[in-house]
Amino acid sequence: GDSVTQMEGPVTLSEEAFLTINCTYTATGYPSLFWYVQYPGEGLQLLLKATKADDKGSNKGFEATYRKETTSFHLEKGSVQVSDSAVYFCALSGYTNAGKSTFGDGTTLTVKP
Amino acid sequence: DAGITQSPRYKITETGRQVTLMCHQTWSHSYMFWYRQDLGHGLRLIYYSAAADITDKGEVPDGYVVSRSKTENFPLTLESATRSQTSVYFCASSESGYTDTQYFGPGTRLTVL
Repeated sequence: GDSVTQMEGPVTLSEEAFLTINCTYTATGYPSLFWYVQYPGEGLQLLLKATKADDKGSNKGFEATYRKETTSFHLEKGSVQVSDSAVYFCALSGYTNAGKSTFGDGTTLTVKP
Repeated sequence: DAGITQSPRYKITETGRQVTLMCHQTWSHSYMFWYRQDLGHGLRLIYYSAAADITDKGEVPDGYVVSRSKTENFPLTLESATRSQTSVYFCASSESGYTDTQYFGPGTRLTVL
């Protein structure tokens, strides 16, 4: 079945550092790929998504590129801020999964001033 | 207000009691989902629904019951609560369920004593 493997956390960075959170997936067909973010005490919300190979999703300075050849969707940001501290989830969804999404286990990011 | 709401936000109950968690969305999304979030397990799908009167099991359905008589509501019932059901529960909805973004509620923190 479908699966998502995320870089294990927690990740601690200083403000303005470069961020990469790795995500690789296993899926049949051509799934859509997502990054969700969860701030403390809140539900998940969409950060960005890509629906086909080589698409780049971007939002709030975060980027991720759908790489079919390496089955990856790594999240990057050039300069993190304290307000980026949150849990980040990689997910996929596709027509072969009866409408369900598969989520990674989440990576906790803490940014220190 | 438009969106997806959950009630109650916090609930403490005792082992063996029946508990119902409510979820309501105002978008008329076809798909709705229930997840539980536990440390070390990420998000796990309990049940989902593709439309009113259509529900199906997710990864961890045992001990839970759902119904969906109206498109906008998707209650989750714990028939006889157990301590292992102590968790944070998230409801989500999406327009088509396949490649669309899921929109999450704020969560219900349930403690079973």
